[in-house]
Amino acid sequence: GAVVSQHPSWVICKSGTSVKIECRSLDFQATTMFWYRQFPKQSLMLMATSNEGSKATYEQGVEKDKFLINHASLTLSTLTVTSAHPEDSSFYICSASGQGRGDEQYFGPGTRLTVT
Amino acid sequence: TQLLEQSPQFLSIQEGENLTVYCNSSSVFSSLQWYRQEPGEGPVLLVTVVTGGEVKKLKRLTFQFGDARKDSSLHITAAQPGDTGLYLCAANTNAGKSTFGDGTTLTVKP
Repeated sequence: GAVVSQHPSWVICKSGTSVKIECRSLDFQATTMFWYRQFPKQSLMLMATSNEGSKATYEQGVEKDKFLINHASLTLSTLTVTSAHPEDSSFYICSASGQGRGDEQYFGPGTRLTVT
Repeated sequence: TQLLEQSPQFLSIQEGENLTVYCNSSSVFSSLQWYRQEPGEGPVLLVTVVTGGEVKKLKRLTFQFGDARKDSSLHITAAQPGDTGLYLCAANTNAGKSTFGDGTTLTVKP
């Protein structure tokens, strides 16, 4: 159990457009979902934490108007990168945690975003 | 200030060698996880340790949580090329927030 999917796995978009990334927990109810950004050979940088039905909590330095997060159900959270720029190019990973799973986070496979 | 310090940052060894990766902090944690991540993929949970002094084994991997729950180590015996990857420790505070170490990039050469 504890499978998390992400879609798309990779996306190329033009500068100025918006991109939506979906994160789904397939076999458990994710009360909390996390969104991370990762640069090559570096660790994960937490962007925001979202709880189902409430507004996301963003980490310091992360623009909430640029990275829109919606956690509308216990199995789905979305991250929308608005007005993307080349510097937004990165590997975005979501994770989910749920009731009965303690502090463990289960990660999606990641989405590679390239903004041209 | 980095809450979790991992060392070494990079490690390149030959197949069959043993290695240890450390995860240290001055803070006490309610639990700690170790993950392995391969390029282009998300991290995969290896283990969770909760009790001070706890030792868990997963085949050739041995995980230990410090008595004071401030540090942890991951020991790999007879490393294989398939062990290559980025190893991340993550610790959880009582506030329910996770923090990740900077990671250890392990390369095992055949």
